[in-house]
Amino acid sequence: NAGVTQTPKFQVLKTGQSMTLQCAQDMNHNSMYWYRQDPGMGLRLIYYSASEGTTDKGEVPNGYNVSRLNKREFSLRLESAAPSQTSVYFCASKMEGNEQFFGPGTRLTVL
Amino acid sequence: DAKTTQPPSMDCAEGRAANLPCNHSTISGNEYVYWYRQIHSQGPQYIIHGLKNNETNEMASLIITEDRKSSTLILPHATLRDTAVYYCIVRAFWGNQFYFGTGTSLTVIP
Repeated sequence: NAGVTQTPKFQVLKTGQSMTLQCAQDMNHNSMYWYRQDPGMGLRLIYYSASEGTTDKGEVPNGYNVSRLNKREFSLRLESAAPSQTSVYFCASKMEGNEQFFGPGTRLTVL
Repeated sequence: DAKTTQPPSMDCAEGRAANLPCNHSTISGNEYVYWYRQIHSQGPQYIIHGLKNNETNEMASLIITEDRKSSTLILPHATLRDTAVYYCIVRAFWGNQFYFGTGTSLTVIP
């Protein structure tokens, strides 16, 4: 039981490049989330998926797209990366009414 | 979801109880109080949650005031490994929007 896994762990992009952050969970959770955390700040919700086939915007969705590929996987895509998207990205999952479980994070730098 | 207010930092001597306060004066009747912590730059870790009764688990105790406008997380015997940022969050039980705020940075001192 690996919990929530994220790939890659680290990534450096140039401005304008695109990439997809991958997240998978093996706990059969319905809900999945993407957060970003800037230095010295708390986590801010980007997008979430309450169930397979649905996605909703969080607090800071601009510049991102998501795909809930199946129940296990929830990906976050940056179509044209900007330096303001330099951050640590965390994926999380949960069952309804329960606590969230977080992945180890992806550290993204956009030059 | 209600916003929360926490002190930015606290110190605690190793072996003593750490009491972390949180104000949530606009909490509504169906919102729970959740506590998470984040060690170094790892993903946040769930600690405890409650609605109106005090709660205790193997990690901590949660004391919620009778009017539910504030709460205190208690780590009964703090260790160096408890040094972390602690986040107090209020949300509806079935809600999906989590507002983490900036939390309280707890430093446990040897």
